[in-house]
Amino acid sequence: SAVISQKPSRDICQRGTSLTIQCQVDSQVTMMFWYRQQPGQSLTLIATANQGSEATYESGFVIDKFPISRPNLTFSTLTVSNMSPEDSSIYLCSVQVAGMNTEAFFGQGTRLTVV
Amino acid sequence: QKEVEQNSGPLSVPEGAIASLNCTYSDRGSQSFFWYRQYSGKSPELIMFIYSNGDKEDGRFTAQLNKASQYVSLLIRDSQPSDSATYLCAVPHSSASKIIFGSGTRLSIRP
Repeated sequence: SAVISQKPSRDICQRGTSLTIQCQVDSQVTMMFWYRQQPGQSLTLIATANQGSEATYESGFVIDKFPISRPNLTFSTLTVSNMSPEDSSIYLCSVQVAGMNTEAFFGQGTRLTVV
Repeated sequence: QKEVEQNSGPLSVPEGAIASLNCTYSDRGSQSFFWYRQYSGKSPELIMFIYSNGDKEDGRFTAQLNKASQYVSLLIRDSQPSDSATYLCAVPHSSASKIIFGSGTRLSIRP
């Protein structure tokens, strides 16, 4: 397993501003992901954070809106840029410790409210 | 067709009964299958995984996999109020490095 620390745990932000969410893992992992979970909904994959290269974004998500950094194998950040109330959601960092086809572990999540 | 499909529920089961949760998937190349439990306001936590056809039991939980039918299920025996949560079926994509989650089934155990 892995211990994943995500911060902040929650924030209330003004529209038009940006928020950067940090994800720290207690061990080196190959696969790191960022998900969004809107109220009452399931998890939607935003992107795969790749170490040393640009993140791989899912359909409907773009780098200008959700820039991601992955400077090493234990740390990643997700920025939610130029926020609007529609960005209000829970954002979750996730890792797969043992590679593809293995289980994912999640951080505690960041509850974002945009006003 | 969605890649991973679940009935959204809510599924209401009396305490002590068996809760049966179902999931179908579209990717025939998928090799592993996971069930997560998510309490309201919390992150998903892994409760079961299964790789081979058949049944896998762990305490009160049994996962069942039928690759020919592309079907995976989770049975919870002797349901307890603490089992009330949303259960997410998750399937790693066979050709891309990502996990696809179903929409989740909300389970409610009534005393």
